[in-house]
Amino acid sequence: KNEVEQSPQNLTAQEGEFITINCSYSVGISALHWLQQHPGGGIVSLFMLSSGKKKHGRLIATINIQEKHSSLHITASHPRDSAVYICAVGQFYFGTGTSLTVIP
Amino acid sequence: GAGVSQSPRYKVAKRGQDVALRCDPISGHVSLFWYQQALGQGPEFLTYFQNEAQLDKSGLPSDRFFAERPEGSVSTLKIQRTQQEDSAVYLCASSLASTTEAFFGQGTRLTVV
Repeated sequence: KNEVEQSPQNLTAQEGEFITINCSYSVGISALHWLQQHPGGGIVSLFMLSSGKKKHGRLIATINIQEKHSSLHITASHPRDSAVYICAVGQFYFGTGTSLTVIP
Repeated sequence: GAGVSQSPRYKVAKRGQDVALRCDPISGHVSLFWYQQALGQGPEFLTYFQNEAQLDKSGLPSDRFFAERPEGSVSTLKIQRTQQEDSAVYLCASSLASTTEAFFGQGTRLTVV
């Protein structure tokens, strides 16, 4: 089942680069979540959005409801951004995650 | 409590053994979710409670899996007669409502040997 698809699966970037992670979904949506998961399992919610765009520090999330697509952008990436980023539709459908490594 | 608490953090079970995983949600959170996360995969939905009512258990992989939340706070996920394919991290999350931001516990890593 592929209700939520993310790309790329793996991403390596140099410190300072602009990063984009994409998420496409096929199910109906009340809200889309971007989550961050560090090694060891802890998951932190970064954004919950149902329309438009949200920004928090160096992170920006956008969603296009008509196209069923969302993007997570990281500006001026830093090694501490290295983690797995997961897109989720509601609380029921999750992508497989994008593993990001930022190299100093 | 300050966050969602899960116990134990790690559990090793012999194949065929029964296990019980506990989740303490954030006080006042009505919604509680259980997920199974295999290595290298995203979380897979197992079941959802609103207070003590189990509103959706469509993700439970077999009748060996059972979840309860009898008083609308603490929840237990029980797996009977564990099998090797049950090895995974089991995550619990709670939220004020099913459509609001969810807060995740650290998970329980279950290894069936």
